[in-house]
Amino acid sequence: EVQLVQSGAEVKKPGESLKISCKGSGYSFTSYWIGWVRQMPGKGLEWMGIIYPGDSDTRYSPSFQGQVTISADKSISTAYLQWSSLKASDTAMYYCARHREDSSGSFFDYWGQGTLVTVSS
Amino acid sequence: SYELTQPLSVSVALGQTARITCGGNNIGSKNVHWYQQKPGQAPVLVIYRDSNRPSGIPERFSGSNSGNTATLTISRAQAGDEADYYCQVWDSSTFYVFGTGTKVTVL
Repeated sequence: EVQLVQSGAEVKKPGESLKISCKGSGYSFTSYWIGWVRQMPGKGLEWMGIIYPGDSDTRYSPSFQGQVTISADKSISTAYLQWSSLKASDTAMYYCARHREDSSGSFFDYWGQGTLVTVSS
Repeated sequence: SYELTQPLSVSVALGQTARITCGGNNIGSKNVHWYQQKPGQAPVLVIYRDSNRPSGIPERFSGSNSGNTATLTISRAQAGDEADYYCQVWDSSTFYVFGTGTKVTVL
């Protein structure tokens, strides 16, 4: 069974750093891209970026380029999303999801449970 | 950049049919995928490549795509279908594009 298990909720102050994780299991972690999606309170889904754990090739949405860093450690089947200096506007739920790409198109077929990040002074 | 437009909300009577549209320029030439997000939960894929259902998704969910509009149809709507629904396409320049989302209410 494919599973993506994310780290727990975080409460941080503006200016602090943070790294959240997403651990995959039940499939070959190095064979599928993993993406990150932001959902601000009461808002829609926003694609942030995507990483191929096999070689750490990473692509970012222009909206998030330079604002976050996506990485992966294939030895422990885990992808990460990190901030060096959080802002209040980073308060949101963050989801990781497995990217599937074939003749059916490109989409997220499995999702993590989400990590709530709250940034407040 | 490519944009997808959905109605803010759709209401449907219990047992009737709900149709959720997703508008985009020549969207019929793209593969459209749909996600269901219930309150407090992660999104779930309900339709991929316009009209295909993943394992475990009821046959009541169907999709179509032509011209400038893709449509997700929910037949015999149940209270458990109340959720936000998002369409999504892959664009070669902007990668993942999500629709604006539609809240479905079952009356």
